[in-house]
Amino acid sequence: EPEVTQTPSHQVTQMGQEVILRCVPISNHLYFYWYRQILGQKVEFLVSFYNNEISEKSEIFDDQFSVERPDGSNFTLKIRSTKLEDSAMYFCASSKRQGAFQPQHFGDGTRLSIL
Amino acid sequence: AQKITQTQPGMFVQEKEAVTLDCTYDTSDPSYGLFWYKQPSSGEMIFLIYQGSYDQQNATEGRYSLNFQKARKSANLVISASQLGDSAMYFCAMREGVWSGGGADGLTFGKGTHLIIQP
Repeated sequence: EPEVTQTPSHQVTQMGQEVILRCVPISNHLYFYWYRQILGQKVEFLVSFYNNEISEKSEIFDDQFSVERPDGSNFTLKIRSTKLEDSAMYFCASSKRQGAFQPQHFGDGTRLSIL
Repeated sequence: AQKITQTQPGMFVQEKEAVTLDCTYDTSDPSYGLFWYKQPSSGEMIFLIYQGSYDQQNATEGRYSLNFQKARKSANLVISASQLGDSAMYFCAMREGVWSGGGADGLTFGKGTHLIIQP
């Protein structure tokens, strides 16, 4: 069964550095998402992306964050000038179509640790 | 107000018993979807089952079923014949439709229920 692939599985970065998290969504999916889960807390929506532009973003997704689809398969989340509180599990997800009735399929996540 | 409420932070269940994980939701949007995800200790998020607000019948997927009570705004997950491998965090999530005026793309998650299946 096709799946969402995320790399790396674990990223350790010094505070203040930039980090890029990578995702390969399911090939026939058109909508892509990033979520964050701080340890022990619930999963939080960051941003959705469709047709090469941001569709929607949460208040968490400030100027520190950006997303890009650099080619036909990858979808990236860039975090500039990382802070300790950016340490979390970051999930990429994709869905075939938009709408309340479309399941989003998640990758295995990237655990980001900021030192 | 919380949009998704999961009132059971943790549950212990004997293997082979059925288990019900509670989820209540809050929305004024007539179109919404309700989703359950499983998160094992390894961290990945596994989609289990989905229920649309207009669905007349409760969703079922193998050993998983969703007890959807629209008037009560509840969408409880039922796992029949539980197995040791069912031990995990379970998250209820909602996605509102285009009339919600914001947050329509992203899923809103509850805090989760930590289910432990005992032999």
